[in-house]
Amino acid sequence: DAKTTQPPSMDCAEGRAANLPCNHSTISGNEYVYWYRQIHSQGPQYIIHGLKNNETNEMASLIITEDRKSSTLILPHATLRDTAVYYCIVAGRNTNAGKSTFGDGTTLTVKP
Amino acid sequence: DVKVTQSSRYLVKRTGEKVFLECVQDMDHENMFWYRQDPGLGLRLIYFSYDVKMKEKGDIPEGYSVSREKKERFSLILESASTNQTSMYLCASSRRQGKRNEQFFGPGTRLTVL
Repeated sequence: DAKTTQPPSMDCAEGRAANLPCNHSTISGNEYVYWYRQIHSQGPQYIIHGLKNNETNEMASLIITEDRKSSTLILPHATLRDTAVYYCIVAGRNTNAGKSTFGDGTTLTVKP
Repeated sequence: DVKVTQSSRYLVKRTGEKVFLECVQDMDHENMFWYRQDPGLGLRLIYFSYDVKMKEKGDIPEGYSVSREKKERFSLILESASTNQTSMYLCASSRRQGKRNEQFFGPGTRLTVL
């Protein structure tokens, strides 16, 4: 599975949009981009995923570049509860077990 | 409410002890995973299983073994615990196929080996 690169940390003001970037330049054609977040002392939680089209759900939006080498997770109106570590991973959809590499993620701090 | 549960939240063991970490999921998922999480190293995959009695090594299998006798249960075994296995251990499960096969994680077990 392809590896991803994320900035180690970011700050965002409460109520503003948080834009978290991820590079996945070695992504292959059948691999999806998944985003998870981990709030302190809990296991990671799924946020959203996509293949090549932009996606939106009740939690976030995912923008994937046309060449699929990078993506951005957007939290449209960040709240203090969105402070967490955000992981971007790539994995095949129908993989036997998805040997996904999580990496260090981005620590997002939402400030009042 | 779907769940992945882990047998303990906190565990303290001594060097050389045999340690069992248990994980149970109630979603009828085919895939199950064990990760360890250490500061600055992210989540690293230890072992995964895509079916009963099936297992494959992840990135860091040394010093660990696993057992999957039933679909809902995936056990991580430290045959002889060492201090460098002090870590947070996370279990996860997922469907093998489907529109959404994201991983569902348990709350984690913080293991300290003295």
